[in-house]
Parts: sequence; structure tokens; C-alpha cells
Amino acid sequence: DIQMTQSPSSLSASVGDSVTVTCRASHYVGNFVSWFQQKSGNAPKLLIYDASTLQSDVPSRFSGSGSGTEFTLAISGLQPEDFAHYYCQQSFSDPFTFGPGTKVDVK
Amino acid sequence: QVQLVQSGTEVKQPGASVKVSCQASGYIFNTYGFSWVRQAPGQGLEWMAWVSAYNGNTLYAQKMRGRLSVSTDASTGTAYMEMSDLRADDTAVYYCARDRGSAWHIDYWGQGTQVIVSS
Repeated sequence: DIQMTQSPSSLSASVGDSVTVTCRASHYVGNFVSWFQQKSGNAPKLLIYDASTLQSDVPSRFSGSGSGTEFTLAISGLQPEDFAHYYCQQSFSDPFTFGPGTKVDVK
Repeated sequence: QVQLVQSGTEVKQPGASVKVSCQASGYIFNTYGFSWVRQAPGQGLEWMAWVSAYNGNTLYAQKMRGRLSVSTDASTGTAYMEMSDLRADDTAVYYCARDRGSAWHIDYWGQGTQVIVSS
């Protein structure tokens, strides 16, 4: 199975800050990585797919990059509604594993 | 608009089975599949299985193979997840999600179904 790791596991930031979350795959996954945002008590929401393609209706302050085994999610200019958990997932081969998540909270 | 509406909370005893439904609307049902993902209290997301709504092909996470069955019914536009021999650590929120499978991505999620396993 492909293992996905994320760093950091949590970070504290202020409104307006820029933050980056890293996701690493234990094996090659091409560009088949998605990023999801989850707010407490709600279903996850797709932000980015194919490593760097922004899902429709997702603000442009979110961006993704990477290929192979290393991927990043960047948020430029954090907004109050961005404080949440973020998960990466690979869809290169089954099982389609998720990373353990990164919590972004208020400093 | 795409909507996935799941069935309600289930409370089960250890050893019992549970069947969760996911009613899809707003798109052509058999052009996508479904992933099932669960989230234990305070934990992250765990991918469980995938089923094609086109031909019924399935993929399962190894740890759940044998206890888990996923299926679809095109006549009603519904996906199903059935888990048997429930244990306390199966207590979680279970999500269905629209997904074309390998080399594609999840794009829409159901609202989640709480399954509580307790004696």
C-alpha cells in the first residue's frame, strides 16, 4: 500500500498569513493527489485535484503543486473560514490512501 | 446540482451488521463510481472501498475485506455499504463520495452517516 504522510501535523497562523502543507507519498503516485478541507462536523470538501488543478468555486488563494512523491498545498492570505483540517489523498493505486491530516488553527 | 444524501444514524450491537445508503442525484448515475470513507471520533479519513456504478467492479481496503460489501442500484440511483461483524472500533462517521476511481478523484461527498457500535 502507498503511505501518505503530511507535515506539519498542525500549525498556528493569523488571518492574512501564507501557509504551506506538505504531503509525501511512500511510492510514486504521478500527479494523482487531491487536497480536501474539512471543518468540524462537516463532510470534507475538494479543493485541488491532479496535484494542482483548482476545483471550481474554490478561491484562488488555494494552490497545489508537486508530482511523483512530494506535494504541497499553499494558502496565500489566510481567511477566517480557512481554519480547518486539510487532508491529501492519492488516487494512483488502491487502496486510495489519505494522509493523516494537518490542522490549521488560529495563532 | 450533484447531491449525495445518506441514510440516518445507526446504533448496533457488536457482531451485528449495518447497511448505509447513499442516494445520488443531479448527474447520470452510471458515469461515476463511489468511494466509501470513514472517520472515527477525533481521527482522520480512512478510505474503505470503491464501487463502479457502470459495471459493479469493486475495490476494498485489505483490512476490511471479508466484512465489507459495496454495491449500487441503478434503478434507484443508490449506492450501498454493508459491514458485518461490527466491533466497537467500527464506530465512526461513514461517508459516500462520488469518485471515478483510479487516476480520478473524489469530487462530491454525502453528509455522512453516524454508526455507533455499542452493547
